[in-house]
Amino acid sequence: GDSVTQTEGLVTVTEGLPVKLNCTYQTTYLTIAFFWYVQYLNEAPQVLLKSSTDNKRTEHQGFHATLHKSSSSFHLQKSSAQLSDSALYYCALSEGASSSFSKLVFGQGTSLSVVP
Amino acid sequence: AQTIHQWPVAEIKAVGSPLSLGCTIKGKSSPNLYWYWQATGGTLQQLFYSITVGQVESVVQLNLSASRPKDDQFILSTEKLLLSHSGFYLCAWSRDWGSYEQYFGPGTRLTVL
Repeated sequence: GDSVTQTEGLVTVTEGLPVKLNCTYQTTYLTIAFFWYVQYLNEAPQVLLKSSTDNKRTEHQGFHATLHKSSSSFHLQKSSAQLSDSALYYCALSEGASSSFSKLVFGQGTSLSVVP
Repeated sequence: AQTIHQWPVAEIKAVGSPLSLGCTIKGKSSPNLYWYWQATGGTLQQLFYSITVGQVESVVQLNLSASRPKDDQFILSTEKLLLSHSGFYLCAWSRDWGSYEQYFGPGTRLTVL
């Protein structure tokens, strides 16, 4: 089956500095879409970014990510981290080409802590 | 606009006791529905999905069951809770064929003692 790997469990960055959260994946099925979900404390996950196009940059709320199928990666970046960005970030892929439902496979999650 | 509601917000239950968690979607007919489990500090694991009323498929076995008695309702239950059932249970929905983004409800925090 598919798998998603987020190598950092915790990333701490100083406010105003750039941040990068890594995401790589393995897929044996036809994977349709890739996501970054953000989960604030005691809240439900919500979509931050999504992409299904190779080598196309996707941006939202100051974050950006580019799907690179050649390296099986979908890293999340921001040029200037804000205190409000502190949250849990999940990379996920959706395999659903041959069925009428979407199965999301999540990575282990990266906790981002932005400090003053 | 679609809204998703989960109940209860939190539960504290004894090992061996029964459990029933609910999820309701408003503003979307015939959604695909999903149950997820998130252990404390862990990732999100899909448990069940349902495409239509009365039809539920299991993704992973955790001694839990799910049912979809109405188009807008999804129920997660078990007759005997285990300590390992503790965690955060999330209901999610997605549009039908061709849409892969899932929208999560607020979740239910379950503590099994």
